[in-house]
Amino acid sequence: GAVVSQHPSRVICKSGTSVKIECRSLDFQATTMFWYRQFPKKSLMLMATSNEGSKATYEQGVEKDKFLINHASLTLSTLTVTSAHPEDSSFYICSAERTGLPEAFFGQGTRLTVV
Amino acid sequence: AQSVTQLDSHVSVSEGTPVLLRCNYSSSYSPSLFWYVQHPNKGLQLLLKYTSAATLVKGINGFEAEFKKSETSFHLTKPSAHMSDAAEYFCVVRPLYNFNKFYFGSGTKLNVKP
Repeated sequence: GAVVSQHPSRVICKSGTSVKIECRSLDFQATTMFWYRQFPKKSLMLMATSNEGSKATYEQGVEKDKFLINHASLTLSTLTVTSAHPEDSSFYICSAERTGLPEAFFGQGTRLTVV
Repeated sequence: AQSVTQLDSHVSVSEGTPVLLRCNYSSSYSPSLFWYVQHPNKGLQLLLKYTSAATLVKGINGFEAEFKKSETSFHLTKPSAHMSDAAEYFCVVRPLYNFNKFYFGSGTKLNVKP
């Protein structure tokens, strides 16, 4: 199989604090991972493409200093929301590519609530 | 630019009746095409994929999709809906010219009535 695990599934944090979300490929190595944000009743919005060992490529309009992405190993990418504000509350989803397969494998998503 | 159009934001069917979720895409070349399903507060699960092999693709849970190049369509069907099929469905395109990008449709919410 190709399993992607995202942690935590839910997190509540106080305004001004930072929160880290992990995305792990459990049974394969993922050179590329993607981070998405999903607003209620909306489709997925690509935030950034994360490549192992290099800097992430951010989509236009996404603040790289606010949404820090680190892809330090072939099985782990992290998204850190820094100085979180209530407007950052959302559902964040990661996906990973497996070499040789065209589809993306998605994590379970993380519901972030900033209070 | 690539675009993916899911023609219906909501589809409601009765249990046991057929399901049709429509998807059209814009592409100069035959892309890879996917249907994913998302249950509330969950990630996306792959239902099926088309990658330039057979044009009629069978997926999990009895779903099928047919790639029609002349119509640039990739509609998702199921002969008989089950209550557990109620979810959000996304049509996704990965173009050959930009293989590092996935383009998502806006989603179709399927409601299944008992």
